[in-house]
Amino acid sequence: EAQVTQNPRYLITVTGKKLTVTCSQNMNHEYMSWYRQDPGLGLRQIYYSMNVEVTDKGDVPEGYKVSRKEKRNFPLILESPSPNQTSLYFCASSSPGTHNEKLFFGSGTQLSVL
Amino acid sequence: QQQVKQSPQSLIVQKGGIPIINCAYENTAFDYFPWYQQFPGKGPALLIAIRPDVSEKKEGRFTISFNKSAKQFSLHIMDSQPGDSATYFCAASSKGNQGGKLIFGQGTELSVKP
Repeated sequence: EAQVTQNPRYLITVTGKKLTVTCSQNMNHEYMSWYRQDPGLGLRQIYYSMNVEVTDKGDVPEGYKVSRKEKRNFPLILESPSPNQTSLYFCASSSPGTHNEKLFFGSGTQLSVL
Repeated sequence: QQQVKQSPQSLIVQKGGIPIINCAYENTAFDYFPWYQQFPGKGPALLIAIRPDVSEKKEGRFTISFNKSAKQFSLHIMDSQPGDSATYFCAASSKGNQGGKLIFGQGTELSVKP
């Protein structure tokens, strides 16, 4: 089954404790992206990757890191989480081309930073 | 200029009603306008999309109306059902912008009452 898999689904942590949210897709997609969803703000892009070893900042990259060492994986790293990073996070991927015509989203990771 | 403004933030209709969700944009370079549907606990999924060369697109009970001169587009759901209760996001992108990066609206939480 074609899918984007995120782990964990829920995560509660404390300020400053490094964490990683994993994302994997099995569709051989070149493009992958991370979004955060906050009430009233919609989906905001954090980082994206056009291909292996190619990453770039989205609209809200502060406090986050990513890496793209393999085509299928695109982990999101919070080196020193803060309470304002409490949010619902989504990983997404799409097939090659100049348009992200159909983004496939994971089921989300609800992060709480205390 | 990169924003997509979506309204209303929430909407309650009776079964059989026709909810309408509106979006407005500023960037005239946008050339692709999708709508995503998100059920609770799930990631968004592509529902329907339109390009600016047409003024309307219909897929089943879902219709996008597009007004290029006003820089607005809207989603209409005919004969709405309780199963349509979800959060809806409009989005926009242009080929030349970061490989077609999608800019999302703020989201509309739709509730269809039986």
